[in-house]
Amino acid sequence: GAVVSQHPSWVICKSGTSVKIECRSLDFQATTMFWYRQFPKQSLMLMATSNEGSKATYEQGVEKDKFLINHASLTLSTLTVTSAHPEDSSFYICSARSSDRGPGTGELFFGEGSRLTVL
Amino acid sequence: GDSVTQMEGPVTLSEEAFLTINCTYTATGYPSLFWYVQYPGEGLQLLLKATKADDKGSNKGFEATYRKETTSFHLEKGSVQVSDSAVYFCALSHSGNTPLVFGKGTRLSVIA
Repeated sequence: GAVVSQHPSWVICKSGTSVKIECRSLDFQATTMFWYRQFPKQSLMLMATSNEGSKATYEQGVEKDKFLINHASLTLSTLTVTSAHPEDSSFYICSARSSDRGPGTGELFFGEGSRLTVL
Repeated sequence: GDSVTQMEGPVTLSEEAFLTINCTYTATGYPSLFWYVQYPGEGLQLLLKATKADDKGSNKGFEATYRKETTSFHLEKGSVQVSDSAVYFCALSHSGNTPLVFGKGTRLSVIA
């Protein structure tokens, strides 16, 4: 099946530093990827929609200057958490939809997630 | 807007018990419906899906039927195993470049 890979799977950083998380679609092209954030024991919160070649669309309440999203190619989107603080510690998950697998079904393929811990 | 409501957990069952996790939705049009599973420390995996009314999705002994008249997509399994312990998310999506809308998730713990 379609594979979406995230890297790193976990990262620990000091407060004030920036962290970049990569999301790659390994066997399909994704013009759109989605970034979610998951708090402990809670559901996934959509942060932004990443569009290849254009600016990301952020959900209400998500700081676009804090969470920089770049969709540089049809197989890569990156999320950079800038000047990270302990409250940014969370599980970040990306997802993408393949146009050639079950077109019209709306199924999303998810990365393994990246756990960020800010000290 | 679209929304998904699923039963709150945690749900604790003994091995071989019958499982039902309720899920109802509110949406315009005819969305596709999904159940995703998240094992401890991992990302989400698609468990099953249904794309139109009366469709039944099934996988690994789990089943769910798309009921448009009751706007429901309840997850069932006849005999759970310890390895089924995970968080289960009901979700809906329209086709195209639209994200999934998730329920809050239901944590299932199966004890031997």
